[in-house]
Amino acid sequence: QQQVKQSPQSLIVQKGGISIINCAYENTAFDYFPWYQQFPGKGPALLIAIRPDVSEKKEGRFTISFNKSAKQFSLHIMDSQPGDSATYFCAASIRTGGFKTIFGAGTRLFVKA
Amino acid sequence: GAVVSQHPSWVICKSGTSVKIECRSLDFQATTMFWYRQFPKQSLMLMATSNEGSKATYEQGVEKDKFLINHASLTLSTLTVTSAHPEDSSFYICSAQSGIGEQFFGPGTRLTVL
Repeated sequence: QQQVKQSPQSLIVQKGGISIINCAYENTAFDYFPWYQQFPGKGPALLIAIRPDVSEKKEGRFTISFNKSAKQFSLHIMDSQPGDSATYFCAASIRTGGFKTIFGAGTRLFVKA
Repeated sequence: GAVVSQHPSWVICKSGTSVKIECRSLDFQATTMFWYRQFPKQSLMLMATSNEGSKATYEQGVEKDKFLINHASLTLSTLTVTSAHPEDSSFYICSAQSGIGEQFFGPGTRLTVL
């Protein structure tokens, strides 16, 4: 019930294409859903986040779509660039009880030039 | 934006020695910090939750006597790997939590135990 399932495990996209990464959760108590970007040898960086009262959030080329009834959320990267090549983690947390964050397994994105 | 630093960024030590890693929130106060361990090509594994002024809460399977955590102030938490062994070699990452629940991660520390 505490898991966050992320797919695909890896993704190859042409430059300019759309990268889509999906996540699903079970625990309806989760109320904060961030996405993190991690480059090799670096710590994760917060990319964009959404709360369950919103169905979509867009920041630049990055968009989160959130489907509360299906308990799914996804990250869309528009006009993907080689510099977007990184590992992306979805996560879910509960704002009470210590804000413990559960991470997905990660998606390794490679954008071909 | 919120900045979290870690020191050192990498460390090599001999088996049996202890290593201390510092995590600092540079521009905000963090009542809660988290310590993670990450193996190559894997996700982050939460080791413990560190609250300022109180004992850390360790995840199941994490030896609290081996991984000592101290959260002495609102901007500093330390992780000490005691009597390190080669299997402790890993990438250790801390994060600091803002007042509204956002987590900001440090750049990580690569520990290699010979």
